[in-house]
Amino acid sequence: GESVGLHLPTLSVQEGDNSIINCAYSNSASDYFIWYKQESGKGPQFIIDIRSNMDKRQGQRVTVLLNKTVKHLSLQIAATQPGDSAVYFCAEIRKTSGSRLTFGEGTQLTVNP
Amino acid sequence: DTEVTQTPKHLVMGMTNKKSLKCEQHMGHRAMYWYKQKAKKPPELMFVYSYEKLSINESVPSRFSPECPNSSLLNLHLHALQPEDSALYLCASSQLPLAGGNEQFFGPGTRLTVL
Repeated sequence: GESVGLHLPTLSVQEGDNSIINCAYSNSASDYFIWYKQESGKGPQFIIDIRSNMDKRQGQRVTVLLNKTVKHLSLQIAATQPGDSAVYFCAEIRKTSGSRLTFGEGTQLTVNP
Repeated sequence: DTEVTQTPKHLVMGMTNKKSLKCEQHMGHRAMYWYKQKAKKPPELMFVYSYEKLSINESVPSRFSPECPNSSLLNLHLHALQPEDSALYLCASSQLPLAGGNEQFFGPGTRLTVL
């Protein structure tokens, strides 16, 4: 079936290093891809999104890359901080699915001091 | 105000109880959502209200009954739940259409335990 998923369930990095969280998708009809961060005991928090006709989008300390050829999405976090420790979900929106946000499996990011 | 609030934070109920979860937003969003999230899993969509009308029901059992009294409030009425319904219930809201730039804002969730 069609899905949005992640390559790695956990990622551990040292404070100050850059982090890369990956996501694979199989549906070419996706219009937007979004990264959410969920800290323990909280709801998901929007980080950044990218439209399907873009390859790259930058935010504050974060960059999302979209490779449509291999259906791969990644989130890069620069100079990772302890406050970045959380579960990160990629999600997609397809125009044909109405108001549906479909989440992939999460990646637990742990930042070691 | 860019916040979605949910009450209660925690709820423990028996299988014969009736309870309600409440969600509120004052961002003027016209879409509101209920999600269910099990531990270490992504949120799963349950219901979507667009302009106070139920637009999506993801085949949710009838023991869950949503209600949208007005554009700022969303309730989820619970009755005769099963232990496997124990989960974090998340409310979200967004502008319409759901697309880039109109991201969903999530509340902190209600942690539900069914005994």
